[in-house]
Amino acid sequence: KNQVEQSPQSLIILEGKNCTLQCNYTVSPFSNLRWYKQDTGRGPVSLTIMTFSENTKSNGRYTATLDADTKQSSLHITASQLSDSASYICVVSVYGGSQGNLIFGKGTKLSVKP
Amino acid sequence: GAGVSQSPSNKVTEKGKDVELRCDPISGHTALYWYRQSLGQGLEFLIYFQGNSAPDKSGLPSDRFSAERTGGSVSTLTIQRTQQEDSAVYLCASSLGQAGGSYEQYFGPGTRLTVT
Repeated sequence: KNQVEQSPQSLIILEGKNCTLQCNYTVSPFSNLRWYKQDTGRGPVSLTIMTFSENTKSNGRYTATLDADTKQSSLHITASQLSDSASYICVVSVYGGSQGNLIFGKGTKLSVKP
Repeated sequence: GAGVSQSPSNKVTEKGKDVELRCDPISGHTALYWYRQSLGQGLEFLIYFQGNSAPDKSGLPSDRFSAERTGGSVSTLTIQRTQQEDSAVYLCASSLGQAGGSYEQYFGPGTRLTVT
């Protein structure tokens, strides 16, 4: 069964600190992996999209990594800011699947405290 | 340019009533998705439209739920005989092509539905 698991469920860090969010997936055949940021009361916004051949991709202070062999991805946030408080969702695309070919994780809720 | 818009932003309805939720995708986007998000939960897939192909309805939770997309643009999600468990935020997204093909997916702000 195609699944995307994220950890931790929630995380609290102090402003200025770094953090890493994890995503494990059992999706086949794999097409690409995305990370979304969802602010409270808003729709998700795409941060990165990585294909099979990409190991890392950055978007400002956000850096995503992908290990297609172990089927793991991480999202590293550097020098966190209060505005980073949000839910971070890992999404994996599968060729030929249903659901528009997108499998969503349940998200990690990040709280950045001053 | 304009993003994905949804209306209404909030809807309160009585149990048993029908509701219609509207989504205006980004112009030219052939793919359109509907999702449901209950409080504190992840996104639940409902239905997917791609061009003129038959929609993927595999996520619709019951036959009270239906959706259509007229002229390949605007989409309406209809919930008949609403139940309290239908209370959630309903999100619409669109993309230039099938999201499985690495096309960027753009979400609207959502419609918060409350069934009393």
